[in-house]
Amino acid sequence: AQSVTQPDIHITVSEGASLELRCNYSYGATPYLFWYVQSPGQGLQLLLKYFSGDTLVQGIKGFEAEFKRSQSSFNLRKPSVHWSDAAEYFCAVARGSNDYKLSFGAGTTVTVRA
Amino acid sequence: DSGVTQTPKHLITATGQRVTLRCSPRSGDLSVYWYQQSLDQGLQFLIQYYNGEERAKGNILERFSAQQFPDLHSELNLSSLELGDSALYFCASSVGVTGGDETQYFGPGTRLLVL
Repeated sequence: AQSVTQPDIHITVSEGASLELRCNYSYGATPYLFWYVQSPGQGLQLLLKYFSGDTLVQGIKGFEAEFKRSQSSFNLRKPSVHWSDAAEYFCAVARGSNDYKLSFGAGTTVTVRA
Repeated sequence: DSGVTQTPKHLITATGQRVTLRCSPRSGDLSVYWYQQSLDQGLQFLIQYYNGEERAKGNILERFSAQQFPDLHSELNLSSLELGDSALYFCASSVGVTGGDETQYFGPGTRLLVL
């Protein structure tokens, strides 16, 4: 069965420190990969996506993610975290090939301390 | 602002009742998706419509139904509501053209509370 795993339920990071959120998936082929962010009481905002090509993708708000086929991973990174990055982050995967419904990980809540 | 609108923002109702959630996709998008976000199940895909036709079905209860109208807006109907149906319901839309960018853009959600 297809699955998306975000191993870290909660991460606390100091403002200005780097952040890495992990995402692993189990799909047969190279799926379409996404990271979304949800601020408290808000909807889901797309941070970045990977369909094909360069395995390092840049997104909004200074985020980037790297697709590693050998590890079935799509980890999200930010070099220097701002207090406004406190939110819940979701990794999502679509099979592709006319199947674009998203399977989501359980989410990682990021707390930023001053 | 994603360009996807959902109404109402909040809905409080009683068990056994029926409600309708409405979604307007981004201009030009043909596909509409519905997702449910609950504390115990997380974010789950419910159903997808493409240009008025049902395209894919996920973990959608038989008490739930959806449709997409000729103007491409979509409605999710939830009936015989139970306490466990309390959740945040998201609509997302995408272009829907085969081979195109299938990125989904999400609306702000409708928070349903069943008492």
